[in-house]
Amino acid sequence: EVQLVESGGGLIQPGGSLRLSCAASEFIVSSNYMTWVRQAPGKGLEWVSVIYPGGTTYYADSVKGRFTISRDNSRNTVYLQVHSLRAEDTAVYYCARIYYHSSGYYFIDYWGQGTLVTVSS
Amino acid sequence: DIQMTQSPSSLSASVGDRVTITCRASQSISNYLNWYQQKPGKAPRLLIYAASSLQSEVPSRFSGTGSGTDFTLTISSLQPEDFATYYCQQSYSTVWAFGQGTKVEIK
Repeated sequence: EVQLVESGGGLIQPGGSLRLSCAASEFIVSSNYMTWVRQAPGKGLEWVSVIYPGGTTYYADSVKGRFTISRDNSRNTVYLQVHSLRAEDTAVYYCARIYYHSSGYYFIDYWGQGTLVTVSS
Repeated sequence: DIQMTQSPSSLSASVGDRVTITCRASQSISNYLNWYQQKPGKAPRLLIYAASSLQSEVPSRFSGTGSGTDFTLTISSLQPEDFATYYCQQSYSTVWAFGQGTKVEIK
């Protein structure tokens, strides 16, 4: 069964850094599009970043220059390095797999359980 | 970047009601539009992809229509398990975006 398990969240002071991890099982991370989506408490979903099988990455404007998505193929794990954290980055961060349908469409088919990042002094 | 706007933000409905949620893109996204359902404390679940294709194991009371900038999600007969928040999401551009969500509550 496909599983995504996030870790690395916690309480961090404004301006601090964290590295979120997403360990995948039953599929190969490097052969798939992988994405991070976050959700602030009581708020909606916000797309954060994506990494393509070839290594290309994209970011939401709200995190560009502060967040970096990467992967470790040997560990079958995706990471989100977050820097210069602000109060508004407080959220549950979900790791997810993007499925590429043969008809040419992309959608998220598997999600992790999420890891909470709280930015507060 | 492409912005997605859903309406209404919330609605109250009864079991058996027909419910329609709309989603508008700030520019044409063809039919690169997905719909997700999220229940409290849970990760979202895909309902519809490519604007109108039903994901496997999703009940047929869910349907999606639209193309270009305007899309709708319809629940033909609301069931107790359908009370949740629904999000549209565009996959047209390299930078994705979700709508702000529509919360469907019990009347």
